[in-house]
Amino acid sequence: GAVVSQHPSWVICKSGTSVKIECRSLDFQATTMFWYRQFPKQSLMLMATSNEGSKATYEQGVEKDKFLINHASLTLSTLTVTSAHPEDSSFYICSASTSGSRGTWEQYFGPGTRLTVT
Amino acid sequence: GIQVEQSPPDLILQEGANSTLRCNFSDSVNNLQWFHQNPWGQLINLFYIPSGTKQNGRLSATTVATERYSLLYISSSQTTDSGVYFCAATTGGGNKLTFGTGTQLKVEL
Repeated sequence: GAVVSQHPSWVICKSGTSVKIECRSLDFQATTMFWYRQFPKQSLMLMATSNEGSKATYEQGVEKDKFLINHASLTLSTLTVTSAHPEDSSFYICSASTSGSRGTWEQYFGPGTRLTVT
Repeated sequence: GIQVEQSPPDLILQEGANSTLRCNFSDSVNNLQWFHQNPWGQLINLFYIPSGTKQNGRLSATTVATERYSLLYISSSQTTDSGVYFCAATTGGGNKLTFGTGTQLKVEL
């Protein structure tokens, strides 16, 4: 159980175009989804938190107009990188969280999307 | 915010060896998780362990919340254990994970 998928797994796009990444919780309903970014040989950095049906909360330094997040249902969140530039090239990972039977908020992670902007 | 630091940053083991990875955190936590990131980038949940001790096969973890550290034990290491191990914590009743710096593990034959 607790499987999270991401699509696409990798994408190459040209500078100035937009890219949409989907994150789905396959076997549970995720009250909260998170988006992270990871540069090579570095740790994960939280970009934003999204709750179903409400606006995402962005971490300091993350441009909300550049990284558009939509959490339309309890199983789907999308991240759109608008007007992508080479510096946006990175590994983007989503996670999904739900309150477990223990009252915990354990997060489960998708396989990630590798974005390359040329 | 909470600071999470891991040691050692890099570790090379011979297959069959045991190891201990450490995670220090700067504040009291309400969630602490250990993950293994495989070479393809997938994070695999190892333990949810804000306190106490848990074991799962060759892996075990202990969190001493009062002293603000957690340990991950790997016994009889295998080449498939290679990858990066992260601990991550939440604090203050929130649900945002702060990730540690990671330990890069390589297990050699």
